[in-house]
Amino acid sequence: SQELEQSPQSLIVQEGKNLTINCTSSKTLYGLYWYKQKYGEGLIFLMMLQKGGEEKSHEKITAKLDEKKQQSSLHITASQPSHAGIYLCGADIIDSGGYQKVTFGTGTKLQVIP
Amino acid sequence: NAGVTQTPKFQVLKTGQSMTLQCAQDMNHNSMYWYRQDPGMGLRLIYYSASEGTTDKGEVPNGYNVSRLNKREFSLRLESAAPSQTSVYFCASSERTLWGYGYTFGSGTRLTVV
Repeated sequence: SQELEQSPQSLIVQEGKNLTINCTSSKTLYGLYWYKQKYGEGLIFLMMLQKGGEEKSHEKITAKLDEKKQQSSLHITASQPSHAGIYLCGADIIDSGGYQKVTFGTGTKLQVIP
Repeated sequence: NAGVTQTPKFQVLKTGQSMTLQCAQDMNHNSMYWYRQDPGMGLRLIYYSASEGTTDKGEVPNGYNVSRLNKREFSLRLESAAPSQTSVYFCASSERTLWGYGYTFGSGTRLTVV
């Protein structure tokens, strides 16, 4: 089973609308990363969250890590076509063997319709 | 610009052919990784190298081999390509920080095996 669940898997929104993408784990997240990927390009680092309740913003994108450090949300305000792409969350977790590792969600494909 | 450089960007192989994907980073990172990305499955770790001179299997190592040539370079080899290896391959490097792992990804190699 996937250690990091992202929802929704895909999203189509009209330009100007707000949207939220969620990243959830059953394990404590020690570092949570958000990336964006455009077709044919690599993963672009957006932001990293570490502390419960932490919130960071960059332009119209805001990410938050909940107090329990098991869920993060990425919120885009007034979406634009340039926001289209695949959003991927990644996190440091402790696996069942007690080892720290990095795991990734399955991604959320965002389309913004002009 | 500092970062992770992957070559080639696109490749089409016939079943049974071999090829090597090249990856180089200039950030003096100790750790390097090869991931494959498939629809609905997120990023899956193929092999990683925690430091120069060491390599370890990840989640999906079958059909692949790797070489950590030096601190900068980490190559992935497909000895006998199969259609199931059609995927987008990402190389990444990281360095452990106080807050977790800072990952930098290459732009990806889109491989099709026919």
